Amino acid sequence: GGIITQTPKFLIGQEGQKLTLKCQQNFNHDTMYWYRQDSGKGLRLIYYSITENDLQKGDLSEGYDASREKKSSFSLTVTSAQKNEMAVFLCASSPRVYAEQFFGPGTRLTVL
Amino acid sequence: QQKVQQSPESLSVPEGGMASLNCTSSDRNFQYFWWYRQHSGEGPKALMSIFSDGDKKEGRFTAHLNKASLHVSLHIRDSQPSDSALYFCAASEPGYQNFYFGKGTSLTVIP
Repeated sequence: GGIITQTPKFLIGQEGQKLTLKCQQNFNHDTMYWYRQDSGKGLRLIYYSITENDLQKGDLSEGYDASREKKSSFSLTVTSAQKNEMAVFLCASSPRVYAEQFFGPGTRLTVL
Repeated sequence: QQKVQQSPESLSVPEGGMASLNCTSSDRNFQYFWWYRQHSGEGPKALMSIFSDGDKKEGRFTAHLNKASLHVSLHIRDSQPSDSALYFCAASEPGYQNFYFGKGTSLTVIP
């Protein structure tokens, strides 16, 4: 089996700050995803990547950048954190189209 | 606009009872459906997929798909307290790498 690691587990930032979240997977999966989970709103896709150096925007990409420099890692940057923003950011990977997605434990973001 | 709607928002069932969760989509192109379960403080974990019309059973879990009515359901037989979690329906269409998730149903199994 494999594992998805997300760092940090908790992230506290200031309004306007650029913040970076990291995700690593050892499944050797091609596709990786970043989702945002707000209370009562389910999971919303921010970015996904189908291979190294590929980036595809999801419905919620505005205000975020992503980077997939290695097959095993996928980073997400909040370009300018918004005050009172509180959400959990989930990273996932999948071996192929329509297959199961494996999720990490999440990074909980708080912006003061 | 939410492409995948789930109902009810929350559900309580007694231990040993049957829990029924529903999911409908507004996009007729959706062909592939997954159910995920998320316990508090963890990431979601896949329960089962269903891609063809009809029923699919895995242990205590049965999924049902009706593509004509764009409706998917999940039934949990003999519910256990450990089944208490947030359940998500996810849908995708041919040619797309990503899934759309619903807002989730919060299930509480009462001992």
